[in-house]
Amino acid sequence: QKEVEQDPGPLSVPEGAIVSLNCTYSNSAFQYFMWYRQYSRKGPELLMYTYSSGNKEDGRFTAQVDKSSKYISLFIRDSQPSDSATYLCAMSEIIGFQKLVFGTGTRLLVSP
Amino acid sequence: NAGVTQTPKFQVLKTGQSMTLQCAQDMNHNSMYWYRQDPGMGLRLIYYSASEGTTDKGEVPNGYNVSRLNKREFSLRLESAAPSQTSVYFCASSSRSGGLETQYFGPGTRLLVL
Repeated sequence: QKEVEQDPGPLSVPEGAIVSLNCTYSNSAFQYFMWYRQYSRKGPELLMYTYSSGNKEDGRFTAQVDKSSKYISLFIRDSQPSDSATYLCAMSEIIGFQKLVFGTGTRLLVSP
Repeated sequence: NAGVTQTPKFQVLKTGQSMTLQCAQDMNHNSMYWYRQDPGMGLRLIYYSASEGTTDKGEVPNGYNVSRLNKREFSLRLESAAPSQTSVYFCASSSRSGGLETQYFGPGTRLLVL
């Protein structure tokens, strides 16, 4: 079993929909949780960085962490075709990026 | 600002050949990283450098060496390439300022080892 599980998709939604992307994990010591967006043939881009449980909002993006269930989510409101990309979750026991464990990514397709 | 740059963009090697992947950042970041990305495996850390003059192994360091030439540049060397090293390689840099963690990736190098 992988430490971090992520459905590969693709997840297809119409423009304007609310998107929910999710990851589950098995290591209860993870405290730092990240979401990255990766466009085709590009490098990942850090979207959200959160610590412990709770919600964090940034524009149309909301990251949610439920440590009791070992489950994290990224919500995208009013989705746009430009949101079409692969979304990677990542998590770590310590602050910083040197011990990140990545999910394999979920491909999102937003149709006009 | 160019951000994080990587060269080359694409390379084909024969088994046993060597090559160096170059990475540079112009954001004055202390930390730099080399990852590989394979289908179904996610991103995996090969080596990282917390600051100029230091390097540490990541999850998959075997078959690779790195050099942190100065604060800007961090290179990855394959001494004797193997087909298992066929992958997309990403360099990244990061900083921590005022409690805010940021990380930036380069565009990647696609490596095919025959």
